[in-house]
Amino acid sequence: KAGVTQTPRYLIKTRGQQVTLSCSPISGHRSVSWYQQTPGQGLQFLFEYFSETQRNKGNFPGRFSGRQFSNSRSEMNVSTLELGDSALYLCASSLQSGTGGSGYTFGSGTRLTVV
Amino acid sequence: KNQVEQSPQSLIILEGKNCTLQCNYTVSPFSNLRWYKQDTGRGPVSLTIMTFSENTKSNGRYTATLDADTKQSSLHITASQLSDSASYICVVSPNTNAGKSTFGDGTTLTVKP
Repeated sequence: KAGVTQTPRYLIKTRGQQVTLSCSPISGHRSVSWYQQTPGQGLQFLFEYFSETQRNKGNFPGRFSGRQFSNSRSEMNVSTLELGDSALYLCASSLQSGTGGSGYTFGSGTRLTVV
Repeated sequence: KNQVEQSPQSLIILEGKNCTLQCNYTVSPFSNLRWYKQDTGRGPVSLTIMTFSENTKSNGRYTATLDADTKQSSLHITASQLSDSASYICVVSPNTNAGKSTFGDGTTLTVKP
């Protein structure tokens, strides 16, 4: 079955612009989580959506937002981009919220560069 | 507060040698622990998953152990290969529907010829 699809794969934006990243989870998975990873750093949790509702949120400013559609596809938006937003953004899908049993399947990520 | 600590932060070994990575956690209530391998610039890929009742789980040259009493896990890699060079991430999930998993910062392994 198809894996987790993230688009675009690479993105270059200018400071102050906004960007929208997309994630299509594995068919049947209802939970989508987003993570930011900067060079040499661990995965920083952004937020999780389950059945179109935000279930958990990390410690990121309000410039970072997301949503989930009825088909479980999710989008993440970052407004007023800053240089420090340059990172690999990873999306992970799972059957359950919190992944108590099913675990995560990650996409290949979107590499965002802010110049 | 739920925490996952991994050690060492980075490790360099020669091809063919064995190594062991550590993961200590304080996540409660515990549901499962997973080890992921992340190649540079790619998404993490699951290696093993262990539940409370499991002590050892193998996946080829990767063997994970879990001591639920001391809340420690290890990932042992035998006969390392150049392709094992990656970041290895320990993830612990709670036994609740609303809680979120806790990720370790990872161990960066470099295998040299």
